Amino acid sequence: GDSVTQMEGPVTLSEEAFLTINCTYTATGYPSLFWYVQYPGEGLQLLLKATKADDKGSNKGFEATYRKETTSFHLEKGSVQVSDSAVYFCALNSGGYQKVTFGTGTKLQVIP
Amino acid sequence: GAGVSQSPRYKVAKRGQDVALRCDPISGHVSLFWYQQALGQGPEFLTYFQNEAQLDKSGLPSDRFFAERPEGSVSTLKIQRTQQEDSAVYLCASSDLDTQYFGPGTRLTVL
Repeated sequence: GDSVTQMEGPVTLSEEAFLTINCTYTATGYPSLFWYVQYPGEGLQLLLKATKADDKGSNKGFEATYRKETTSFHLEKGSVQVSDSAVYFCALNSGGYQKVTFGTGTKLQVIP
Repeated sequence: GAGVSQSPRYKVAKRGQDVALRCDPISGHVSLFWYQQALGQGPEFLTYFQNEAQLDKSGLPSDRFFAERPEGSVSTLKIQRTQQEDSAVYLCASSDLDTQYFGPGTRLTVL
């Protein structure tokens, strides 16, 4: 079955540091890949997505590239801010009706 | 509407009580999903509707869980005879094309 593996947290970084959160997946066919973010006390928000190999999703300074050869979709940001502190979920869907499979989430804490 | 809404936001139930959780999807979205998110975990799929038809309920953990969407819009997730292991955040999502938009969730605590 489909599965998503992402690096365990928490990840603690200083403001303006470079961020990478690793994500790999197992899926049938050609899934769409997503990063969702959950800020404290809020619901899940779509951060970015990529629907086919070599696509790069980007939003709010975050980027992730769909790498089919390594089955990866690592999240990166060049300079994190305190306001980026949240839990980040890597996810995919490969079903015809878009059922989403999530990773366990990575908590990011950015300190001033 | 502007987004997916869920009510109540918080629910405390005594073990054995029945609960009903409501989801209002984004207007016009055909697909609706329910997920269960345990503390410190990612959401896990419960069930899926296309309009009023429940096409997949393979994620429902037991026959105490029941979901409906009678008019193809608002959906209700019902849990009968709640148990402590049902404590979690229940998320609803509606979708267009390949992207799901999530509501804020209902945090259920079973005492």
